[in-house]
Amino acid sequence: AQKVTQAQTEISVVEKEDVTLDCVYETRDTTYYLFWYKQPPSGELVFLIRRNSFDEQNEISGRYSWNFQKSTSSFNFTITASQVVDSAVYFCALGDLGEYGNKLVFGAGTILRVKS
Amino acid sequence: GAVVSQHPSWVICKSGTSVKIECRSLDFQATTMFWYRQFPKQSLMLMATSNEGSKATYEQGVEKDKFLINHASLTLSTLTVTSAHPEDSSFYICSSQGVANQPQHFGDGTRLSIL
Repeated sequence: AQKVTQAQTEISVVEKEDVTLDCVYETRDTTYYLFWYKQPPSGELVFLIRRNSFDEQNEISGRYSWNFQKSTSSFNFTITASQVVDSAVYFCALGDLGEYGNKLVFGAGTILRVKS
Repeated sequence: GAVVSQHPSWVICKSGTSVKIECRSLDFQATTMFWYRQFPKQSLMLMATSNEGSKATYEQGVEKDKFLINHASLTLSTLTVTSAHPEDSSFYICSSQGVANQPQHFGDGTRLSIL
């Protein structure tokens, strides 16, 4: 069965601190996708990144960076120099490669609170 | 701009009412649409997968007679919560996908409150 674990329920940091959100996944599939989404208080899901299991290169996008370690089944997300606007719930998700679409299994989410 | 439009964004109704939620793909033809449910302070759980022109596939534990899904066209899927009860109160989010293995696009969600 597919499973995503986000062990950190809630993280509080002070503005400008770096913060890393952990994500560990389980799957029997050899090919899959990994995602990170941000959900602000308004509720909509904001897509942050999608990573194919074949591509273990780390990625940086502005203040965001992702570390994909297939050997440990982890896909961690780091925010550098956090800002108050980063406060939200962050979800890691695992997607299969279905013929008709990719079912997503979400982790429980990590609440990030950035204080000024 | 929004790629997927979900309507309504907020519904309050009495117990026993049936509620229809629409999910429209605005910029592309959605071969597949997904419906998720999110209870307060919890994660998103997949309810069902719908492919245009065929019956929806429901996840284990989701009552198909309770949550009716129609995907009659490549741009519209609807979720009808029949005879809704307070325990159905939740945040419902749809997503649409065009070609398989292309990124999904999520709607903004519908907050359903049953009194």
